[in-house]
Amino acid sequence: GAVVSQHPSWVICKSGTSVKIECRSLDFQATTMFWYRQFPKQSLMLMATSNEGSKATYEQGVEKDKFLINHASLTLSTLTVTSAHPEDSSFYICSARDPRGIGELFFGEGSRLTVL
Amino acid sequence: AQSVTQLGSHVSVSEGALVLLRCNYSSSVPPYLFWYVQYPNQGLQLLLKYTTGATLVKGINGFEAEFKKSETSFHLTKPSAHMSDAAEYFCAVSDRDNQFYFGTGTSLTVIP
Repeated sequence: GAVVSQHPSWVICKSGTSVKIECRSLDFQATTMFWYRQFPKQSLMLMATSNEGSKATYEQGVEKDKFLINHASLTLSTLTVTSAHPEDSSFYICSARDPRGIGELFFGEGSRLTVL
Repeated sequence: AQSVTQLGSHVSVSEGALVLLRCNYSSSVPPYLFWYVQYPNQGLQLLLKYTTGATLVKGINGFEAEFKKSETSFHLTKPSAHMSDAAEYFCAVSDRDNQFYFGTGTSLTVIP
């Protein structure tokens, strides 16, 4: 299957700092990528849809200024958690749809963010 | 919008026993159906998918699922559970507009 890589896998930061998470499609071009947040023992919560060359589409209730998404190329989307606070601690997962198939989603490895 | 229901947020089976994880969806139009597995602190890995054709689909790690249109179900099974199967399993549906909808997940515990 297609490969989506996410970095970093783990990040610990101090409250008030910003953290950037990268999501790359390694063997295909992804015009659209998705960012999810997952709380312990829960399902995925779609945060936003990242569109190459245009603004991201955020789900209701997700703060655009808090979670900045940039999709500058067909293989890279970034999520920046700005002025992070402990309540932003979570598992963040990106995914991309392989255009060569039926459009199934392939997921990155996930990034565990801990804000102290 | 679609809805995906996974009955049983936690399922426990003995090693070597049958695994059955249930998934029902709401669409009246046959969608694309998927099962994903998630190990702790990892992303989701595609187990199997149904698009068209044969209703019994085989996936990785010995899992299979059967699409039953009349029951709007896509249950996941494995004849004999292995300790390494312990994980979180998500059923997902993609409609013709390529919108993805996930179930709430089922945590599988395998008892030695």
